[in-house]
Amino acid sequence: AIRMTQSPSSFSASTGDRVTITCRASQGISSYLAWYQQKPGKAPKLLIYAASTLQSGVPSRFSGSGSGTDFTLTISCLQSEDFATYYCQQYYSYPPLTFGGGTKVEIK
Amino acid sequence: QVQLQESGPGLVKPSETLSLTCAVSGYSISSGYYWGWIRQPPGKGLEWIGSIYHSGSTYYNPSLKSRVTISVDTSKNQFSLKLSSVTAADTAVYYCARHPIGGVLYFDYWGQGTLVTVSS
Repeated sequence: AIRMTQSPSSFSASTGDRVTITCRASQGISSYLAWYQQKPGKAPKLLIYAASTLQSGVPSRFSGSGSGTDFTLTISCLQSEDFATYYCQQYYSYPPLTFGGGTKVEIK
Repeated sequence: QVQLQESGPGLVKPSETLSLTCAVSGYSISSGYYWGWIRQPPGKGLEWIGSIYHSGSTYYNPSLKSRVTISVDTSKNQFSLKLSSVTAADTAVYYCARHPIGGVLYFDYWGQGTLVTVSS
């Protein structure tokens, strides 16, 4: 199984900050990577697929990059509604589909 | 707009079988797409359980494969999950979700989730 490792596991940031979350795959996954946002008590929401394609309706302050084994999710100007936990998921090789452990973005 | 809604018992006894159903509205399952189940233990991350195509072909997580059955009922526009021989480790919020067309297995629509607790 492909292991997905996210870093950091959590951090604090302020509204307006530019933040970057990293996801590393244990082997190459081309661009078969998705990012999700999850708020407490809610289902995950798809933000980005194919490593860098923004899902319809997602604000343009979110962006994704990377290919192979290293990927990043960037929020260019953090808004109050962006404080949440973010997960990456690979869909290059399955079963199993695998998720990263999550990165919690907290208010500083 | 596609909507998914999980339903089933919120409490299951150890060694018994967990059974959940996902009702789909706004889209006909028989028209295509893969449909999946994901779970999330309290305070933890996401774990994929398995996915099914409208024709009935399935993918399962190898770590759960011996205990999982996912089926589809196109007449009711729903799909189901059965997880046998449950233990406390199977306590989680269970989500159903849709994979987008084209066989790419990320998830574009999710149900709200349902908490299943395994306890005697």
